[in-house]
Amino acid sequence: NAGVTQTPKFQVLKTGQSMTLQCAQDMNHNSMYWYRQDPGMGLRLIYYSASEGTTDKGEVPNGYNVSRLNKREFSLRLESAAPSQTSVYFCASSGPLAGGYTGELFFGEGSRLTVL
Amino acid sequence: SQQGEEDPQALSIQEGENATMNCSYKTSINNLQWYRQNSGRGLVHLILIRSNEREKHSGRLRVTLDTSKKSSSLLITASRAADTASYFCATDADYGQNFVFGPGTRLSVLP
Repeated sequence: NAGVTQTPKFQVLKTGQSMTLQCAQDMNHNSMYWYRQDPGMGLRLIYYSASEGTTDKGEVPNGYNVSRLNKREFSLRLESAAPSQTSVYFCASSGPLAGGYTGELFFGEGSRLTVL
Repeated sequence: SQQGEEDPQALSIQEGENATMNCSYKTSINNLQWYRQNSGRGLVHLILIRSNEREKHSGRLRVTLDTSKKSSSLLITASRAADTASYFCATDADYGQNFVFGPGTRLSVLP
């Protein structure tokens, strides 16, 4: 039972390069998320997708784009990487609670990105 | 933006002792969740408490919620070295679409 799978686990980029982080979940969840985690700042939401075909900005969307390819997959793209985007990126998914609220988040193991 | 803030930032205890972490938030919530993160790993869900609940238990975990004070606490009883991790509270920012995490409490349980 894989849960949430992220690739790659590690990546080093030069400033200005582009890359895509891939995320897939096998729990048939509607909602998927991309967070970044920086030391002492907890997790900050970059983008989320409440359902297939929809995406919305979170707290820190600048410099990123996302694609909800299908119900399983949600990718995060850095078009022109900057050193400020050095971080650990987490993908997560969730199913619904009764009453329409979002249930628990299931996280991937993270993608550690360094931008030189 | 609404954000949970955990307190203390770091906590060091001996194995067998109880560990208490607190979370404060700013606006009304629908539910609050606690997560654990082991070093270098993803977050793992521990417990969810709804806004109309005051206390919830799961094994050695006890969570309380005081909506009048906009605060929650996580108690880990009889701690073990394996409980060493960072603990985060997360509150839902709007109608269940996403969660906002605090900076976390780093717990060290010494053998």
